[in-house]
Amino acid sequence: DTEVTQTPKHLVMGMTNKKSLKCEQHMGHRAMYWYKQKAKKPPELMFVYSYEKLSINESVPSRFSPECPNSSLLNLHLHALQPEDSALYLCASSQGRDEQFFGPGTRLTVL
Amino acid sequence: AQSVAQPEDQVNVAEGNPLTVKCTYSVSGNPYLFWYVQYPNRGLQFLLKYITGDNLVKGSYGFEAEFNKSQTSFHLKKPSALVSDSALYFCAVRPPTSGTYKYIFGTGTRLKVLA
Repeated sequence: DTEVTQTPKHLVMGMTNKKSLKCEQHMGHRAMYWYKQKAKKPPELMFVYSYEKLSINESVPSRFSPECPNSSLLNLHLHALQPEDSALYLCASSQGRDEQFFGPGTRLTVL
Repeated sequence: AQSVAQPEDQVNVAEGNPLTVKCTYSVSGNPYLFWYVQYPNRGLQFLLKYITGDNLVKGSYGFEAEFNKSQTSFHLKKPSALVSDSALYFCAVRPPTSGTYKYIFGTGTRLKVLA
């Protein structure tokens, strides 16, 4: 199974809502990533988990809270987001320095 | 600073013609190099990579890339373009520094194949 799955595909939320994005992979990859991507731009790294520990936080605002419950799952908890946070949120995984496998993304709209 | 450059925002090519999407990088050491493709409202899809060995790397869907160490380039090529190749292409570099998980992405090149 070489697939990374993400749910939901689309999410619309108000600025006072709390929601979560989910990501799952069963390739045994030990690194998992969250990226934010604006239209026609490259992905921007947000967080990296390595062996279920937070390895990189790219100075992301605290309204984004990552969680790695186990080696196959990655969550991104969202609270009090701003309209400028609207974007495509991509999850990826990799083994070592090898290529990343990306999920299809969650299209987030903040009203 | 480490960086990846894709000098062309958009490349137009006629169907059946060869295509080239350019990528140059500024990273010390021997990085891993990657190409990804992204279709609208989808995630990035891995096309090919260079780690070591033969400078010409073959990947998915008939794409190949040529690594040139002296020019620090990793251009993506295809002998005969298809309309379905129209998409956004990203070059990415993984620096050789151990213990880091950062991939550096280029700004992307939109490929438009005209029928």
